Amino acid sequence: GDSVTQMEGPVTLSEEAFLTINCTYTATGYPSLFWYVQYPGEGLQLLLKATKADDKGSNKGFEATYRKETTSFHLEKGSVQVSDSAVYFCALSDKGYGKLTFGQGTILTVHP
Amino acid sequence: DTAVSQTPKYLVTQMGNDKSIKCEQNLGHDTMYWYKQDSKKFLKIMFSYNNKELIINETVPNRFSPKSPDKAHLNLHINSLELGDSAVYFCASSPGQGDSPLHFGNGTRLTVT
Repeated sequence: GDSVTQMEGPVTLSEEAFLTINCTYTATGYPSLFWYVQYPGEGLQLLLKATKADDKGSNKGFEATYRKETTSFHLEKGSVQVSDSAVYFCALSDKGYGKLTFGQGTILTVHP
Repeated sequence: DTAVSQTPKYLVTQMGNDKSIKCEQNLGHDTMYWYKQDSKKFLKIMFSYNNKELIINETVPNRFSPKSPDKAHLNLHINSLELGDSAVYFCASSPGQGDSPLHFGNGTRLTVT
């Protein structure tokens, strides 16, 4: 079945540091890929998405590129802020009824 | 206006009790979901309904019974609660196509003592 693997956390960075959170997936067919973010005490919010190979999703300074050859969708940001502290989830959708399969989540803490 | 709202936000109860969590969405979406998030933040789908019909049931115990009276509501009833049911339960909705993102509620933290 479909699966998503994210890098182990937690990740702790200083403000303005470069962020990479690795994500790889296993799926039949050509899934859509997503990054969601969960701030403390809240539900998940869509951060960015890509629907086909070589697509780049971007939002709020975050980027991720759909790499079919390496089955990856790594999240990057050039300069993190304290307000980026949250849990980040990589996910894929089976393009049927939109069922999402999530990675295990990566906790990011950014210090001033 | 809150797009996907769940009630209650917190639920503390004893083993063996029966409880319900309600979810409503005002986005006009056709598909609704229940996800369970465990203490390690792992999210797993439980159920999905499309236009009031069950389309996904991910080997969840029979003690969990979803009910969708209309496409804007998807409630979750849990019988004979167990300690292992303690988790955060998220409701979500989407238009139903695979490219469409899900919109999540803020979660219900269930604690079974």
